Order: sequence, then structure tokens, then C-alpha cells
Amino acid sequence: AQTVTQSQPEMSVQEAETVTLSCTYDTSESNYYLFWYKQPPSRQMILVIRQEAYKQQNATENRFSVNFQKAAKSFSLKISDSQLGDTAMYFCAFALYLRDDKIIFGKGTRLHILP
Amino acid sequence: GAVVSQHPSRVICKSGTSVKIECRSLDFQATTMFWYRQFPKQSLMLMATSNEGSKATYEQGVEKDKFLINHASLTLSTLTVTSAHPEDSSFYICSAPVTGGTKNIQYFGAGTRLSVL
Repeated sequence: AQTVTQSQPEMSVQEAETVTLSCTYDTSESNYYLFWYKQPPSRQMILVIRQEAYKQQNATENRFSVNFQKAAKSFSLKISDSQLGDTAMYFCAFALYLRDDKIIFGKGTRLHILP
Repeated sequence: GAVVSQHPSRVICKSGTSVKIECRSLDFQATTMFWYRQFPKQSLMLMATSNEGSKATYEQGVEKDKFLINHASLTLSTLTVTSAHPEDSSFYICSAPVTGGTKNIQYFGAGTRLSVL
């Protein structure tokens, strides 16, 4: 079975600072996807970034980037130049590279960006 | 991008009544949809996989007779909470994947907040 662990329940940083959210996962599979989802107070789930396990290059999306360490089963999210709108719950998630598409979520990290 | 519509966004009902929640993929077909439950300040817990044209697959511990799922078409899945009780009060979210090639992107509905009095 696959598991996703987020060890930081809550974090706070000043606006414009850089913050890194941690995530580790466990799987015996070699082909899978990893995701970071954002859930703002509206509770709409928003995909922040996605990483295919077969790709060694770390994914980036504007101010968001990941540090994917496959051997260590680590998948951290870095938010640069943080903005007030980044305040949200962030979920690390995992899905196997199959048609099943079932996503397994971590417990989440609540991120507060302080003005 | 792909859009998933979920309705209603909020429902309040009396204990013992049944509540239906709809999840629609607006501009793509979804043979599979997923239903999640989220308690306050907690993560999303997968309840079941909705399969078009066949029975839903429920996760361990989820009562299939309590949470009826029907995937009537390639764009619509419904979750019916039967004989709802206060402990069923929660936030329910659906999602639908867009697959093809190396794609695996889930699109989520906006969620339904169920309050059972």
C-alpha cells in the first residue's frame, strides 16, 4: 500500500520569503505521479504542481518548484516570493501510473503567509 | 481547462432524510469519478470510485448502503447519503481524471457541505 506523510501540520512565514513544505511517501512501485494540491479557505482543490516519477528533472511552475528525490522518496515543495494569496492548506499526493487514477493524500500542511 | 461541477454547494437536512449530490464533468468524459469526504482541518479521505456502467468500488470501512453511488453517464456521477444522521455531516468532494498518454490530472468539484440536524 502507498502512504504519504507530511510532517509539518502548520507553518507561518513572512510575505516575500521562501518556504519549503516537506513530504515523504512510500511505495514499492516505480511508475507513479506526485502532486501538490492547494486548498484555500474556499475549499476548492487546486493543482499546484505535478511530477512524473520517471522524470529526473524537478517540476517548476512559476514561483513553485519541487525537490524530487526518488531514492529517498521525498517530494518537497518550495514557494518563492510568497504572497498572501498562498495562504492555504497544502496537500502532497500520490497516484500510481495506471488507469485507476486513485489519489492518496497526505494529512496536509496549513501555511500562513504573514503580511 | 477541464471543469467539474458539483451541486449543491451546501445542504442542510433533517436526520433520517436522504441527500443527493451531483458531480458533472462539463467539457470532458469521465468513465471514472472519485468521491472524497473531508472533516474539518483534515485531509481528503477517499470513499469510493464511481465507474460508469458498473458498480462503484468502495474503500474499506465505507458503508455502500449508506453512500449510494450511481454513475449514469460519462459526465455524471451522483452520491446519495441515505437516512442521513448528524455524524454524516461533512464536506464531500468529487473529482474526475483526465487521462491519455502520460496525463493524469484530477479535476475537483467545489465540494458540498452537508449539515444534518
